[in-house]
Amino acid sequence: AQSVTQPDIHITVSEGASLELRCNYSYGATPYLFWYVQSPGQGLQLLLKYFSGDTLVQGIKGFEAEFKRSQSSFNLRKPSVHWSDATEYFCAVGASGTYKYIFGTGTRLKVLA
Amino acid sequence: GAVVSQHPSRVICKSGTSVKIECRSLDFQATTMFWYRQFPKQSLMLMATSNEGSKATYEQGVEKDKFLINHASLTLSTLTVTSAHPEDSSFYICSARGTWDNEQFFGPGTRLTVL
Repeated sequence: AQSVTQPDIHITVSEGASLELRCNYSYGATPYLFWYVQSPGQGLQLLLKYFSGDTLVQGIKGFEAEFKRSQSSFNLRKPSVHWSDATEYFCAVGASGTYKYIFGTGTRLKVLA
Repeated sequence: GAVVSQHPSRVICKSGTSVKIECRSLDFQATTMFWYRQFPKQSLMLMATSNEGSKATYEQGVEKDKFLINHASLTLSTLTVTSAHPEDSSFYICSARGTWDNEQFFGPGTRLTVL
């Protein structure tokens, strides 16, 4: 069965510092992987996705993520965080065939001025 | 492209009434639609998967008689919360998948409050 783990419930970084949000997944085949952001009371916005090919994926707002099959990870990174990046981040894994997504529990990012 | 809408965005109802939430794919045909539920400060939990013209497939623990899902066309799915109670208060999000790949496109969500 699919599962997704986001080990960090909260992360605090200073504005301008680098960021890495962790995501580990469990899935028997090659997964489809996603990172979303969600502002309070709002829907989801896709940051980036991995289906196949280059394991380093570029997304919007300066985010990138790297798929590491050997570590079952898909960590999200940003070299320099902006105050507007403070929100909730969700990692998700999608299954081929059923097309279902399983979401991680989320990581709330706080940015210090 | 690939826009999904939900209506209403917010609804308040009395306990015991039924509430219908619509999910529409505005610029593509959705072969599959999904309904999620999200409690405050928690993640999204998949409730059910619906394919056009077929009965919905519910996740374990989701009461199908409580949460009625209809996917009557390739652009519309509805979720009806029947005999709603305060514990059904939540944020409901739908998503739709097109025919070209595995990506789901999410609606903006519906906040349901049952008094």
